[in-house]
Formats: sequence, C-alpha cells, structure tokens
Amino acid sequence: DSGVTQTPKHLITATGQRVTLRCSPRSGDLSVYWYQQSLDQGLQFLIQYYNGEERAKGNILERFSAQQFPDLHSELNLSSLELGDSALYFCASSVGVAGGRTDTQYFGPGTRLTVL
Amino acid sequence: GESVGLHLPTLSVQEGDNSIINCAYSNSASDYFIWYKQESGKGPQFIIDIRSNMDKRQGQRVTVLLNKTVKHLSLQIAATQPGDSAVYFCAENIRSGYSTLTFGKGTMLLVSP
Repeated sequence: DSGVTQTPKHLITATGQRVTLRCSPRSGDLSVYWYQQSLDQGLQFLIQYYNGEERAKGNILERFSAQQFPDLHSELNLSSLELGDSALYFCASSVGVAGGRTDTQYFGPGTRLTVL
Repeated sequence: GESVGLHLPTLSVQEGDNSIINCAYSNSASDYFIWYKQESGKGPQFIIDIRSNMDKRQGQRVTVLLNKTVKHLSLQIAATQPGDSAVYFCAENIRSGYSTLTFGKGTMLLVSP
C-alpha cells in the first residue's frame, strides 16, 4: 500500500458526460501528479500540482482539468467524454521540493474509467 | 486481471533464475531514473531509483545499472520469484528542475515455478 488513495475504483459513464476523480496524497506529500494509462499509449503524464498550484503540464486535453485543494487532495475533472478517454487514471504523490527537483513518486491504485 | 498493455516485450524465466530487464531512455540530459513494477489491476509500485551521477545502485534483490554513454538502463532481479511476475517500467526525468517523469512502454516479466 503506497498511502495514496483514489476514488472511485471503477467508473462507467456515457459519451458527453462529465466525471470527477479524486486523489488523496500520502501524508506529508505536497505534490500530486495525474497520469493516464491506456493500452495503446502507455503511462502518460497529465499534470502536476505542488502545494495547491499547478507546477507542470503534460499531455492533458483541454476537456480535462485538475485542481489541488488546501487540504492537498486533488481532483481530476474530465468533461465531454469520448470513447477514447476510457483508460486507467492514476494519481501519484511525492514530498515535493520548492525548487522542483525530482523526487520519488508513489502511485495510487487507480480509477478505471469506461466510457460507453 | 486487467492488462496494462498489448504487444509488450516479454521476458520469461524460471523461478530462482536471475532476470535482467533493459530500457533505452531518450534524453541524454535526463538526470533521474526510476523502475516501477505494475501488477495486474494495481498501480505502479516503486522499486528502485538512480540519479545520473551514479552508475549502479543496489536494493534488496534488485540492482539498477545506468550507462549514460549509450543511454541504457537495466534492472537486475536476483533469484526471481513467481511474485515478481508483473510489468516493469523504466521512467526518466526529462525536464531538469521539474519533477515529471516520462515512462517507457514496459516489459512483462513472467516467472514460472
């Protein structure tokens, strides 16, 4: 158990809908990262937050957004869902360093999103 | 269980053998590398990491070797056990100063009893 929690574990929805995925980082971690894992693309970095502020962006679609709250939990919002958005979505957390130096990321169990 | 990918390179070994999983990374400026293990239906699990100022790092039953000249990373698992069966990913930190990782496609390790 990494200490990172994600809810829900499974989510089934229809095209065009909007969903919110939730992540609670390990105790003491300030950085949260979101990744998408699909069969054809592997693990893709989406976005990082550090202590409530966006730190880095990866391959995140405009239909997707995220935020990190004062209690450091994070939410990933996916809107106007398409069939191709079906994937595993992972959250990871790390202690985080103000200067952004790389530190170890610990992953949650993931949310499996199925868009029908 | 859930598959994490199709057409992954696969390494099949017998229990007790030593396993070597290889990874070619993309950016000569990468300064940090991690190996993760992902079992079916679970999130990636940290195994071992290494920074670019080192060539070798050892953990419990695992060793990571870094060859910066040819941009190659390897994970050696000693006395492989059935519980080691999983997909193994290497990841590199491409963007210096940013704690973001780029993952390789993964290698599936199958350990037979």
